[in-house]
Amino acid sequence: DADVTQTPRNRITKTGKRIMLECSQTKGHDRMYWYRQDPGLGLRLIYYSFDVKDINKGEISDGYSVSRQAQAKFSLSLESAIPNQTALYFCATSDSRRAGHGYTFGSGTRLTVV
Amino acid sequence: AQSVSQHNHHVILSEAASLELGCNYSYGGTVNLFWYVQYPGQHLQLLLKYFSGDPLVKGIKGFEAEFIKSKFSFNLRKPSVQWSDTAEYFCAVTPWYSSASKIIFGSGTRLSIRP
Repeated sequence: DADVTQTPRNRITKTGKRIMLECSQTKGHDRMYWYRQDPGLGLRLIYYSFDVKDINKGEISDGYSVSRQAQAKFSLSLESAIPNQTALYFCATSDSRRAGHGYTFGSGTRLTVV
Repeated sequence: AQSVSQHNHHVILSEAASLELGCNYSYGGTVNLFWYVQYPGQHLQLLLKYFSGDPLVKGIKGFEAEFIKSKFSFNLRKPSVQWSDTAEYFCAVTPWYSSASKIIFGSGTRLSIRP
């Protein structure tokens, strides 16, 4: 099983719909992150969480919300999806005790808003 | 604010050619540096990382990177590329201290290898 699992892998949704992307991990890491990837823009941070009670906005949080239901679960919601939210979304985790060791990424969710 | 610049957006090489991908960062303190690779249709995987010590870091699949502090650079190299190296490569930086919040990624360099 993958260390960081994202569901769904692919999703097509209509403008105005609410959609939730889910991420779960078996790494035991305390920190979790949501990024979106767009061609030519690299990865941009949407939200991050250092532990269950800690949620922080990233550089592009408008139009998104998150929920850290447990240490192992971190969900991203689009309250009212719009076409420019079409992107590849990645969840990542890290261990604060080993902060310099980088992230572990999930396989991504490809979201298309029509 | 921290930032990472990757000046080459798309690099096209023939097999067996040598590779160097540029990466410059802006941050005044001590940093940890990373190169991630994303093969077509896959997630990002760690290629190599620099924490401290020897500025020449060796990673998987024959890749290496050199940290030059005076130039704020961490360029990725490979002496002889293969078709299977076709991927997108991301340079990333984070401050060294354990409470560092997040990794900052560059915009990526797409590498295409002609068979």
